[in-house]
Amino acid sequence: DAGVTQSPTHLIKTRGQQVTLRCSPISGHKSVSWYQQVLGQGPQFIFQYYEKEERGRGNFPDRFSARQFPNYSSELNVNALLLGDSALYLCASSLGRQETQYFGPGTRLLVL
Amino acid sequence: AQKITQTQPGMFVQEKEAVTLDCTYDTSDPSYGLFWYKQPSSGEMIFLIYQGSYDQQNATEGRYSLNFQKARKSANLVISASQLGDSAMYFCAMRRDVEYGNKLVFGAGTILRVKS
Repeated sequence: DAGVTQSPTHLIKTRGQQVTLRCSPISGHKSVSWYQQVLGQGPQFIFQYYEKEERGRGNFPDRFSARQFPNYSSELNVNALLLGDSALYLCASSLGRQETQYFGPGTRLLVL
Repeated sequence: AQKITQTQPGMFVQEKEAVTLDCTYDTSDPSYGLFWYKQPSSGEMIFLIYQGSYDQQNATEGRYSLNFQKARKSANLVISASQLGDSAMYFCAMRRDVEYGNKLVFGAGTILRVKS
C-alpha cells in the first residue's frame, strides 16, 4: 500500500511569494495534519483537517492556510513568504480524528 | 502547556548492543498518548511505537520497547540489538486526548549513531 505522498519534494521561492504544498494521505485515512520542521528542531503543528473540516490550528500567522478535498488530499498555502519560512514541511495522515499519524517524506522549502 | 524534554542531544552505541533514549513529559491531563518517531537523513518521520497513558503494560514493537514510568513522567525508548540502519534522529512526541484534534508536541530529538 502506498504511504503518504507529498509534492513537490523541493522548492525554492523568494521573499514575498506564495507557495502551495500538496499531500495525499494513505488510502482510507480521513485526517491530514501539517507540521513545520525548522533545521535542528522538532516538528511544530500547523493544522489538522478531518472530514474536510479544520480540527486544529497551531500558533502560526494567518499567512498559513490549508484545506482538505473530498478525496481527503490536502493543500497547505503560505502567502508573503519570509526567510524564516524555510523549513521541511511534513504532512501526516491518520485513520481517524485521534489515531496514530503516519508521515510523508516532506517538502523542503527554501526562501531566498 | 504540555512539554516534551529529550536531554540527550546525541548518543553513540556499538552495533548489536542495546541503547536507551530518554524522554520526559509534562502534562496535568489524565489521558494522553506518547509516541516515538525515527527520522533518517532523508527527512521522513517513521512511526516506531505508541503508549497510552492508561496502558498497564509497556509497549513493545519488535526491537523497540517503551519504558513507561507514569509517576516519573518518563517514556524512554529502548532499542535492542542495535543495527547500523538505526542511525537517525529520534523524536518523542505527546498527544493530549482531551483535545479534539490530533496535535502532536515533539521534543528536540536525539541523534543516535551506531558504530560497527
